[in-house]
Amino acid sequence: EPEVTQTPSHQVTQMGQEVILRCVPISNHLYFYWYRQILGQKVEFLVSFYNNEISEKSEIFDDQFSVERPDGSNFTLKIRSTKLEDSAMYFCASTIQGRGETQYFGPGTRLLVL
Amino acid sequence: DQQVKQNSPSLSVQEGRISILNCDYTNSMFDYFLWYKKYPAEGPTFLISISSIKDKNEDGRFTVFLNKSAKHLSLHIVPSQPGDSAVYFCAASDSNTGKLIFGQGTTLQVKP
Repeated sequence: EPEVTQTPSHQVTQMGQEVILRCVPISNHLYFYWYRQILGQKVEFLVSFYNNEISEKSEIFDDQFSVERPDGSNFTLKIRSTKLEDSAMYFCASTIQGRGETQYFGPGTRLLVL
Repeated sequence: DQQVKQNSPSLSVQEGRISILNCDYTNSMFDYFLWYKKYPAEGPTFLISISSIKDKNEDGRFTVFLNKSAKHLSLHIVPSQPGDSAVYFCAASDSNTGKLIFGQGTTLQVKP
């Protein structure tokens, strides 16, 4: 069964450093999402992406964040200058047609900023 | 942002009995609802969904009920199995946006 994959599974970085989290969505899916879950809190929406453009972003997704689909398979989330409060699980999700459809999630990347 | 609420942080049920997990929402524009199951350090796994044009959807041991007038949905698991022990998240989206709004989650423990 096709699935969303994410790398790395864990990332430890120093405050102020840049990190890139990678995702490979399900191959025929067209809409891509990033969510995060800070320990003990809800899963929160960060950004949605379609047709090589951001279609929606949350207040969390400030200028320190960016997303890219550099090739036909990868979807990346970059945090330019990490802060302590960026420590969280980051989940990628994808869906075929976007609205009103099930989003399928990857296993997540655990980011720890020291 | 409390648009989706799961007021019970935990639920404990005996194996073989019914588990009922509840979820309330406030945004009347939500028209698609999902339940996800999550284990620690893993991503949410899709369980079952329901569109606002329906009031019930069933898939094996899992049934989701939607009461639009009460802005309430519930997930029934019957019979419950120890392998069902996990955190269950309710999520909702509306036709204007594809983003999911999640509840806080309910930890289900099914005792053998």
